[in-house]
Amino acid sequence: QVLLQESGPGLVKPSGTLSLTCTVSGASIRSSYWSWIRQPPGKGLEWIGRTYHSGIINYNPSLQSRVTISLDASKNQFSLKLDSVTAADTAVYYCARIQDAEYEAAFDSWGQGTLVTISS
Amino acid sequence: SSEVTQDPAVSVALGQTVRITCQGDSLRSYYASWYQQKPGQAPVLVSYGKHNRPSGIPDRFSGSSSGDTAFLTITGTQAEDEADYYCNCRDKTGDLLVFGGGTKLTVL
Repeated sequence: QVLLQESGPGLVKPSGTLSLTCTVSGASIRSSYWSWIRQPPGKGLEWIGRTYHSGIINYNPSLQSRVTISLDASKNQFSLKLDSVTAADTAVYYCARIQDAEYEAAFDSWGQGTLVTISS
Repeated sequence: SSEVTQDPAVSVALGQTVRITCQGDSLRSYYASWYQQKPGQAPVLVSYGKHNRPSGIPDRFSGSSSGDTAFLTITGTQAEDEADYYCNCRDKTGDLLVFGGGTKLTVL
């Protein structure tokens, strides 16, 4: 069973940097694509980006100028950094594994999510 | 990236069949995946690919597609199926992923 656990500060000041880490257990981080997804309170899901151990990284164009996703295979972790945050970045942030195939990409395992609030 | 759209809300009588839709150009090239999300919980994958269902998901959930539209059908809807449902798929480039806005399913 694959388990994912998000960790990081729950409160970030406006204009600061949001930093989260996802620790994966039950699977090698080299085996799949991995992704960050967020959900503002009362709103829908938004894909942030994905990474693969080979160095492939793709970002949502709407966030690309502010976001960095990285992977540490030695720790079986991947991370998210979001710069210049505003109140609009307040959301539950999820990490997830992507089950990737030629004609589909499904998020088959999710972390429990962590609420990050942007406030002074 | 391309968009996929969903109806904001759908209702169904207990025990009846409901079809939730997801529409977008990229669905002509790629399959949708479907997620169920209950309040305060992480989403759960319920259908993916052409006709796939993860282990542990009841067989009353089924996915299908036609043209630019994907469907999640729930046959014999149960009270516990009341939830938000989201679709996702690749965009036209194949490298980016997109979510629909979600459909709130009410079981009457």
